[in-house]
Amino acid sequence: NAGVTQTPKFQVLKTGQSMTLQCAQDMNHEYMSWYRQDPGMGLRLIHYSVGAGITDQGEVPNGYNVSRSTTEDFPLRLLSAAPSQTSVYFCASSYTGTGGSSPLHFGNGTRLTVT
Amino acid sequence: GQQLNQSPQSMFIQEGEDVSMNCTSSSIFNTWLWYKQDPGEGPVLLIALYKAGELTSNGRLTAQFGITRKDSFLNISASIPSDVGIYFCAGQPYYGGATNKLIFGTGTLLAVQP
Repeated sequence: NAGVTQTPKFQVLKTGQSMTLQCAQDMNHEYMSWYRQDPGMGLRLIHYSVGAGITDQGEVPNGYNVSRSTTEDFPLRLLSAAPSQTSVYFCASSYTGTGGSSPLHFGNGTRLTVT
Repeated sequence: GQQLNQSPQSMFIQEGEDVSMNCTSSSIFNTWLWYKQDPGEGPVLLIALYKAGELTSNGRLTAQFGITRKDSFLNISASIPSDVGIYFCAGQPYYGGATNKLIFGTGTLLAVQP
């Protein structure tokens, strides 16, 4: 029972490089989201999706793109990495949204460093 | 954006002590959630609260949804070493209807001395 799988676990990029953080879930969840975690700032919502083909912005969307072509996958793209994007990124999913009756399941994170 | 003020930032306690942490906001929330994060892992849900005044327990953990809908607290009784981790509050903001945004607090780091 894999749950939410994030790859890679670690990544180092140079400023200006692009990359895609992968997220896959095998629980048939409609809702998926991306958060970044920085010291002293908790988790901040980047983008989210309520179903295949539908995405929306969270609190800190600038510099990130997402797409949702399938229910299972929700990749996060950095088109031109900046040092300010150094962070730990978490993907999370739930059946129907963020209400407590449908709790978020988190992946184990991707630690990204941009030099 | 919306802010959740979580306190304290960190706690260093002896095994067996009780712990209390809280979260406040300047605006109303529909749902309050409490998560725990172990090192190297994603947060895991501990308790979910759905309505104002609700008091819910999960083993040694007790949480309450504030009457004003702008705050919540989490208590841990008789702490043990495996309680170590970062505790986050999270809330679903009220925008006049259902939302799909979950806002997290800044976290409380708990260290337990055996």
